[in-house]
Amino acid sequence: KAGVTQTPRYLIKTRGQQVTLSCSPISGHRSVSWYQQTPGQGLQFLFEYFSETQRNKGNFPGRFSGRQFSNSRSEMNVSTLELGDSALYLCASSGGLAGVETQYFGPGTRLLVL
Amino acid sequence: GQNIDQPTEMTATEGAIVQINCTYQTSGFNGLFWYQQHAGEAPTFLSYNVLDGLEEKGRFSSFLSRSKGYSYLLLKELQMKDSASYLCAVSKWMNTGFQKLVFGTGTRLLVSP
Repeated sequence: KAGVTQTPRYLIKTRGQQVTLSCSPISGHRSVSWYQQTPGQGLQFLFEYFSETQRNKGNFPGRFSGRQFSNSRSEMNVSTLELGDSALYLCASSGGLAGVETQYFGPGTRLLVL
Repeated sequence: GQNIDQPTEMTATEGAIVQINCTYQTSGFNGLFWYQQHAGEAPTFLSYNVLDGLEEKGRFSSFLSRSKGYSYLLLKELQMKDSASYLCAVSKWMNTGFQKLVFGTGTRLLVSP
């Protein structure tokens, strides 16, 4: 089974621009979660989607948004980029059914904001 | 809110045993995960504990005490390739009725020859 894939792997943007990141979950997985990872803060939860609906949301400003498509692929968007948005953005997929399930992570998108 | 604490960095010698501790305070606790993350790579699943006690999986074991809000990851017969960050993550119930993972900041383990 193919793993979680994320595109692009690397991205350089300037302040004020917007960016869209993509995540394709493991086949059959319906839940996709997004995380931001920085050296100081560790992995911070952004949001989780299941069957095209946002189920949970972290404490990030409204500039961070996401969506999920009917094939479970997910995108996240960051508008009006700030220097502090430079980070590794990871997505993780799981079956998303009742109970706790292991999340499988993609390789991440490393975003640098100049 | 929630609070998850683990040491920032640890060092150990090849062949030795190391224990990485994680303490947590959170409402809606359901279970605890450990992930391994090599530099520049994605986190990979190591273990999951929901009941008190020890779960053993090869060279790695994980322990949970729900009453004490405490977990540890035990790595035996350390190898150089075990040099990585080890992330403790709590699964908790949200007001939405669904669960989410909350991660600690990770423990960077350096294994030396």
